[in-house]
Amino acid sequence: DAGVIQSPRHEVTEMGQEVTLRCKPISGHDYLFWYRQTMMRGLELLIYFNNNVPIDDSGMPEDRFSAKMPNASFSTLKIQPSEPRDSAVYFCASSPRAKGYGYTFGSGTRLTVV
Amino acid sequence: RKEVEQDPGPFNVPEGATVAFNCTYSNSASQSFFWYRQDCRKEPKLLMSVYSSGNEDGRFTAQLNRASQYISLLIRDSKLSDSATYLCVVTLSNTGNQFYFGTGTSLTVIP
Repeated sequence: DAGVIQSPRHEVTEMGQEVTLRCKPISGHDYLFWYRQTMMRGLELLIYFNNNVPIDDSGMPEDRFSAKMPNASFSTLKIQPSEPRDSAVYFCASSPRAKGYGYTFGSGTRLTVV
Repeated sequence: RKEVEQDPGPFNVPEGATVAFNCTYSNSASQSFFWYRQDCRKEPKLLMSVYSSGNEDGRFTAQLNRASQYISLLIRDSKLSDSATYLCVVTLSNTGNQFYFGTGTSLTVIP
């Protein structure tokens, strides 16, 4: 299994631009999670999906952030317009249906907004 | 109050030492428990699950104390390669499969 695949690995963009982060979960995993990690705040859950349906998006910072999961093998996190304070590492993770199993994280997208 | 609290450290220990981390959780309904390891500029990776009876994986021992609401991780005979940040994780019974992560404890093993 290739694991959770994220792209791009690094993204540098100018303030005000749209940024799209991509994630392919592990096949058969019913849960998909988007996290943001910064030195100050650690890992923050932004949103998670179960069977492609958004379950909890209370962690999404504001309307500039949106996430979609059009099918079981693909999800996007979009920031429009981006701001310097959005600079962070964004991780996608997936998990099987049954509780008690750990998450598998992708390698993350390091976003820098200048 | 945070769901999970950890001492951020850093813990600096010599090779071969034994080191222990604790993590407290606030919700008695917490259901599953894990330790993750995160290397610098890498993603978190599952180190081990934590079972009620305690469990061991080589040099690593995890324990759960439900009465006091904490989990612990013990590392024996520390290696340089154990240097990383260790994150404790809990799930609640009523929040789907959502994990709550601690902020992590930094460990540096010194030659």
